[in-house]
Amino acid sequence: DVKVTQSSRYLVKRTGEKVFLECVQDMDHENMFWYRQDPGLGLRLIYFSYDVKMKEKGDIPEGYSVSREKKERFSLILESASTNQTSMYLCASRSADEDWTGELFFGEGSRLTVL
Amino acid sequence: QKEVEQNSGPLSVPEGAIASLNCTYSDRGSQSFFWYRQYSGKSPELIMFIYSNGDKEDGRFTAQLNKASQYVSLLIRDSQPSDSATYLCAALHQAGTALIFGKGTTLSVSS
Repeated sequence: DVKVTQSSRYLVKRTGEKVFLECVQDMDHENMFWYRQDPGLGLRLIYFSYDVKMKEKGDIPEGYSVSREKKERFSLILESASTNQTSMYLCASRSADEDWTGELFFGEGSRLTVL
Repeated sequence: QKEVEQNSGPLSVPEGAIASLNCTYSDRGSQSFFWYRQYSGKSPELIMFIYSNGDKEDGRFTAQLNKASQYVSLLIRDSQPSDSATYLCAALHQAGTALIFGKGTTLSVSS
């Protein structure tokens, strides 16, 4: 069964802390994504990666960075957490096949609260 | 910024009725569109995709695409209470790699 695993379901951090959100997929997918989801704002793309060590900014990259040192792992980093980064963070992956039919495989989400 | 717009709802329909969910997009270069369903507390899951103008049917679901009007819709026939969820419209952007989602429409089907 295909799987995207996010390391933490719930985190509580303090303002200014450095936060790491980890995501691992076991499907050998080339593309991986980080979204955040907030009530009334929907899913917004933070960063994505199409290959190891490659990254691209999404719509809201400010305050975030990412790391992809291995194909299966994509990490989201909050260098200095702020209260406006309190959110649900969703990791997703997909294949880069030409016949891709649109399915993003999502993790269960990491709910981050910044106090 | 390329955008996908949806009416947030809630959209309420009785059991057995047709639910119609609508979406517009701003980027005329977008070619591929997707509907995802998200139950409360769960992650989104793909319902169907559409690339070509016209209708595409899959069971009780029909996706419609009109590229000239930049409009995508999802019809759910014979709506069931189990269809109650948030429906997310998405378009393929970022050089064909990333999905950009709308804010979602909440559907409530009453029995």
